[in-house]
Amino acid sequence: ELKVEQNPLFLSMQEGKNYTIYCNYSTTSDRLYWYRQDPGKSLESLFVLLSNGAVKQEGRLMASLDTKARLSTLHITAAVHDLSATYFCAALTTSGTYKYIFGTGTRLKVLA
Amino acid sequence: EAQVTQNPRYLITVTGKKLTVTCSQNMNHEYMSWYRQDPGLGLRQIYYSMNVEVTDKGDVPEGYKVSRKEKRNFPLILESPSPNQTSLYFCASRGRASGSISSYNEQFFGPGTRLTVL
Repeated sequence: ELKVEQNPLFLSMQEGKNYTIYCNYSTTSDRLYWYRQDPGKSLESLFVLLSNGAVKQEGRLMASLDTKARLSTLHITAAVHDLSATYFCAALTTSGTYKYIFGTGTRLKVLA
Repeated sequence: EAQVTQNPRYLITVTGKKLTVTCSQNMNHEYMSWYRQDPGLGLRQIYYSMNVEVTDKGDVPEGYKVSRKEKRNFPLILESPSPNQTSLYFCASRGRASGSISSYNEQFFGPGTRLTVL
């Protein structure tokens, strides 16, 4: 059964600093997703990672996928206040069912 | 505008009173899904549908029903709501490969429905 663990749960960081959010998953999954959710809002798709070694970047966010280690990371470079949000990773089961399993989320607060 | 819509956005009801939350998408997507979001638990998938008349259980299907009679609509039905179904519900849709890998894999989420069962 696919399980997704995300850490840390909470992250408070200063503007200008770098940090990484980790997403581990328990069984084979070829597709890893990252989403952003602002308070009181819906989820916005950030990245879709489809293969081992995949790296995608958008602004100050960079996501990568290591399928051998069953690990995806979301790296934040030189954080700014606008990045404050909750970030979720999710993996897709691909063995006969097509279910999305989400991590519990990382609430990021960037302090000025 | 490409979007997923849900109605109602907010609902307060009482235990046992049947309700339906509607979900509609205008992107001709095959895959549609319902999630519930609870503090500290992330999102959990309730049901999903790969196409018309094809539905399957997610991780937390108990107490919910769905139907997919048309491609664009995927209503969520609570036959006898209970207080433990108080939650924030999201509908999402995803398309098949159409030349763009990202459009195939990306889920688009509706605005959410906040349900309170008293």
